[in-house]
Parts: sequence; structure tokens; C-alpha cells
Amino acid sequence: AQRVTQPEKLLSVFKGAPVELKCNYSYSGSPELFWYVQYSRQRLQLLLRHISRESIKGFTADLNKGETSFHLKKPFAQEEDSAMYYCALMLSSYQLTFGKGTKLSVIP
Amino acid sequence: GAVVSQHPSWVICKSGTSVKIECRSLDFQATTMFWYRQFPKQSLMLMATSNEGSKATYEQGVEKDKFLINHASLTLSTLTVTSAHPEDSSFYICSASRTGEVREQYFGPGTRLTVT
Repeated sequence: AQRVTQPEKLLSVFKGAPVELKCNYSYSGSPELFWYVQYSRQRLQLLLRHISRESIKGFTADLNKGETSFHLKKPFAQEEDSAMYYCALMLSSYQLTFGKGTKLSVIP
Repeated sequence: GAVVSQHPSWVICKSGTSVKIECRSLDFQATTMFWYRQFPKQSLMLMATSNEGSKATYEQGVEKDKFLINHASLTLSTLTVTSAHPEDSSFYICSASRTGEVREQYFGPGTRLTVT
């Protein structure tokens, strides 16, 4: 069965430090991965998707099929990056399976 | 563009009553909408997939007679929690995919349901 694992519930880093939010997946089909972000009191919004290979707000994520991972990275964390981050896997039916989320706290 | 609204944003109801939650795509047509449930400090769990003009597809373990979903138009899906009980208290979130663009979901702000 498909599964998305985010091992860290909470990640605290200092402003300016590098950030890596881990995400591993299990899926028998061809994986399509996303990162969603939820800022305080706001709705869930798409941050980036692996097929776009883009960098949004300084964040990047590379799909590693060998390690079944899609870690989210940013070289220098900013205070405004503090939020809840969810990794999600899209199934062939276009449904999303979410990880449990990681709360990123950037310390000034 | 691609804004999804939900109404109400929060609702309190008594045990045994029914509650309807609306999900609207404000500036696009959505053939497919999804309903999620989120418990405090937990992830989103997909409840059902709603396709305009057809019956919803429910995930395993979700009671279709308890969580009635109607998707009568390309901009509106409704979730009715029937005979609500305290354990139905949760945060319900909908998302919508623009017709023809199934790979991106736009999320609503969510509805907080409290059953007393």
C-alpha cells in the first residue's frame, strides 16, 4: 500500500541555517511527489512538485527513486519559513496521500 | 485565481443533528473535488472523491451513509454529516481540481465541526 513518511514532527533551526525536511514514500506505481505548506491560520497551499523541478521561496526537492525519498531543502532558513510542511504522493487516481507533516520552527 | 471557499468556517451542533458543509470553487470549474478530515496535530486523511454528476467514491472505513457527498455542479460540492456524534468533531477540508488539470488540488480553508 502507498505510504508517505515524514519522520520529524518538529524541526527547529536557527535563522540562516540550512534546512532539510525529510520525506520517504512507498508506492508500487510511478511516484509523483508534492510538498505542501500551511502557514499559521492559513490554508494548505502547494509549495512545489517534483515534475516541475523548480525552486520556490528558495526551497528545492529532488526525487530519489533509489532511496524512495523527496526531501525538501533550503540553504538558508528565514523566519517566514516557519510553518507546517506536508509531503504528499499522488496516486494514479489523482488522489493525494499525505505524510503526517513536519512543523518547521525558525529561531531568530 | 483558483480560489476555493468553504462554508461555514466553523459550526457547533448537537449530537444527533445533521450538518452541511459547502465547498465552492470561486473562479474555476472543478470536475473533481476531494474531502479530507484532519484531527488535531495530525495529517489530512482523504475521506472521499467527488465527481460532478456522479456518485462519490469513499475511502475504506468511511461510512457513505453518514458522510453524504453531493457534487451537483462544477463549482459546488457539499458534505453532510448525518446524525452527528461527538467523535465526528474534526476539521473538514475540501480541495478542488480545475477541470482538465487533475494534477493540482486547490484547498479550501477548512470547516471546524464541533458536536456537543
